[in-house]
Amino acid sequence: GEQVEQRPPHLSVREGDSAVITCTYTDPNSYYFFWYKQEPGASLQLLMKVFSSTEINEGQGFTVLLNKKDKQLSLNLTAAHPGDSAAYFCAVRDPNTGNYKYVFGAGTRLKVIA
Amino acid sequence: DTTVKQNPRYKLARVGKPVNLICSQTMNHDTMYWYQKKPNQAPKLLLFYYDKILNREADTFEKFQSSRPNNSFCSLYIGSAGLEYSAMYLCASSRGPRPQYFGPGTRLLVL
Repeated sequence: GEQVEQRPPHLSVREGDSAVITCTYTDPNSYYFFWYKQEPGASLQLLMKVFSSTEINEGQGFTVLLNKKDKQLSLNLTAAHPGDSAAYFCAVRDPNTGNYKYVFGAGTRLKVIA
Repeated sequence: DTTVKQNPRYKLARVGKPVNLICSQTMNHDTMYWYQKKPNQAPKLLLFYYDKILNREADTFEKFQSSRPNNSFCSLYIGSAGLEYSAMYLCASSRGPRPQYFGPGTRLLVL
C-alpha cells in the first residue's frame, strides 16, 4: 500500500526565513493530498487540500508544490513568523482503498524563532 | 461549526482494565474515524464507521472495538489495556470523500 516519508522531523528557522517540508509518497496513482497543521494542545487543522491536477497551490503565506514525477509534495512557508510554530503533517489518500484511508507522514515540528 | 469533540482529554488506565473513549460531531458527517498516534510517528488508522458499517484495519482488528449509536457519536473500546496502548487517540469525521476534520485527541496512559 501507499507509504509516506516526511522530512525533516524537526525544523528551526528564524522569523522571516522560509521553511520547506517535503513528503515523498510511493504510489504513482495517488491523486489527493492534504497538509494539516497542529498547534500545541489543539486539533489537526486542515491547511490545504491538493488535487493532482494542480501542481502549484497557494495559501496565505505558504505554497504547496506537487511534483508527480518524483512523487513529492512540499509545503513552503515563504516568510515564517512565530505563529507558524506548530507540527505539520502531510496526508495522502490511498488510491487503492477507496475514499476513507489517509496515509500520514510522521510530522515536522517547526519552530520559528523571533 | 467544524468541531469534533473528544472525551476525556486525558485518561489513565491500569493494565488489563477496559478503556472507553468518546467522540462526537455535529456536522452530520457520514464517516467517523479513529487513529492512534504515538510520539514521532504518523497517525495510524485503527477503524472507521461509514454510516452504520464498521471497518477495522487488518492489523488492529482484534485489539479495538467501536460503536456508533447515532450519527453524531462514536466510541473506541479497548477490552483489556496493555502498556502498548499508551498513545494519543484521534477521532476524525468527514462527509463522503471530503477532507477529514479532527478532534483534539485523548491522551491515554496505561500503567
